[in-house]
Amino acid sequence: AQSVTQLGSHVSVSEGALVLLRCNYSSSVPPYLFWYVQYPNQGLQLLLKYTTGATLVKGINGFEAEFKKSETSFHLTKPSAHMSDAAEYFCAVSDQTRGKLIFGQGTELSVKP
Amino acid sequence: GAGVSQSPRYKVTKRGQDVTLRCDPISSHATLYWYQQALGQGPEFLTYFNYEAQPDKSGLPSDRFSAERPEGSISTLTIQRTEQRDSAMYRCASSPLRTTDTQYFGPGTRLTVL
Repeated sequence: AQSVTQLGSHVSVSEGALVLLRCNYSSSVPPYLFWYVQYPNQGLQLLLKYTTGATLVKGINGFEAEFKKSETSFHLTKPSAHMSDAAEYFCAVSDQTRGKLIFGQGTELSVKP
Repeated sequence: GAGVSQSPRYKVTKRGQDVTLRCDPISSHATLYWYQQALGQGPEFLTYFNYEAQPDKSGLPSDRFSAERPEGSISTLTIQRTEQRDSAMYRCASSPLRTTDTQYFGPGTRLTVL
């Protein structure tokens, strides 16, 4: 069975500081991994995804994530936080047979001025 | 359409009533997913369609939940005899195909059962 664990339900950073949101996964097959962002009153929006190939994946809004098989991790980073980054972030792994996504519980990011 | 739409955006109902939620996917997309998201949790898979076929219903919590997509486009999720524990955000997503394709999510329907 596949699962995702996001460490920290709430992360607070100062504007301009590094953003690091942690995600660890469990999968018996090579995983497809995703990060989604949810702004208030909006749907989930894809930030980036890893399927195969390069393990460092770049996404929208300056975010990137690195797939580390040895650590079963897919942490999300951004060098410099912006106020507009305040949102809830979800890490997910895909069930490749059916395509359904298995989500972590989410991390709410707050950005302080 | 331009994106995935869901209606209604908010639904308040009394325990024991039936509710039907609607999802209108991106027009060219073959696959449609339904997820349930409780407060403070990530979305959890309910069921999915490949065109009008429904290969997997394994996530539906009980037989009170059913979904259909009769013409391979618009889908409905029906909850019969609603219970308070059904209160959640219900999210619909569509994708061109399964597996690696990005899933595009609608805004969700917030269901409150009193």
